[in-house]
Amino acid sequence: DTGVSQDPRHKITKRGQNVTFRCDPISEHNRLYWYRQTLGQGPEFLTYFQNEAQLEKSRLLSDRFSAERPKGSFSTLEIQRTEQGDSAMYLCASTMGDLKTQYFGPGTRLLVL
Amino acid sequence: DAKTTQPPSMDCAEGRAANLPCNHSTISGNEYVYWYRQIHSQGPQYIIHGLKNNETNEMASLIITEDRKSSTLILPHATLRDTAVYYCIAPQISGTYKYIFGTGTRLKVLA
Repeated sequence: DTGVSQDPRHKITKRGQNVTFRCDPISEHNRLYWYRQTLGQGPEFLTYFQNEAQLEKSRLLSDRFSAERPKGSFSTLEIQRTEQGDSAMYLCASTMGDLKTQYFGPGTRLLVL
Repeated sequence: DAKTTQPPSMDCAEGRAANLPCNHSTISGNEYVYWYRQIHSQGPQYIIHGLKNNETNEMASLIITEDRKSSTLILPHATLRDTAVYYCIAPQISGTYKYIFGTGTRLKVLA
């Protein structure tokens, strides 16, 4: 257990539905990352927060995706109008200050039917 | 980010040392090398990192060549629980520090 938690751990939804995932980073960590991992591939960067500011978004993050980190603590990732191609593991990681070691949560596995 | 290349798979006998190589020939002088592993269906787990000198912790040793163009992760006495995908990463030193993962090395420890 790294101290990063994610909820839910698994989500099955029907195409076209909206889903929201939550990440609780290690409490003193001000940097938070979201990654997506499809079967057989390494994780791919989606977006990055420093405190509450979203400072970078990948081109993978289409208009249907939105992420927030309202008080610089937990973060949410919402996918609107889900598509089957959104099926993946969504990973959250956190770190602090100038440290580069990211600590990953267990991930949320999404299946879109 | 420095591009890293790793062999797609390796086998290792239980109790023997597992040596996992990584090439990062375009790494900058002040970019660290990080190693993570991912056991099936779990999030990546941090193992070790280094800049220039060799490093050792309770999980593994990291050997970085003098020119820093490659490194080797050593698991001294591999167990079945070390079966996982191992990723070598060299994140950029400024900006977001985002990780660029490759496909890693799938290590299978054989009984």
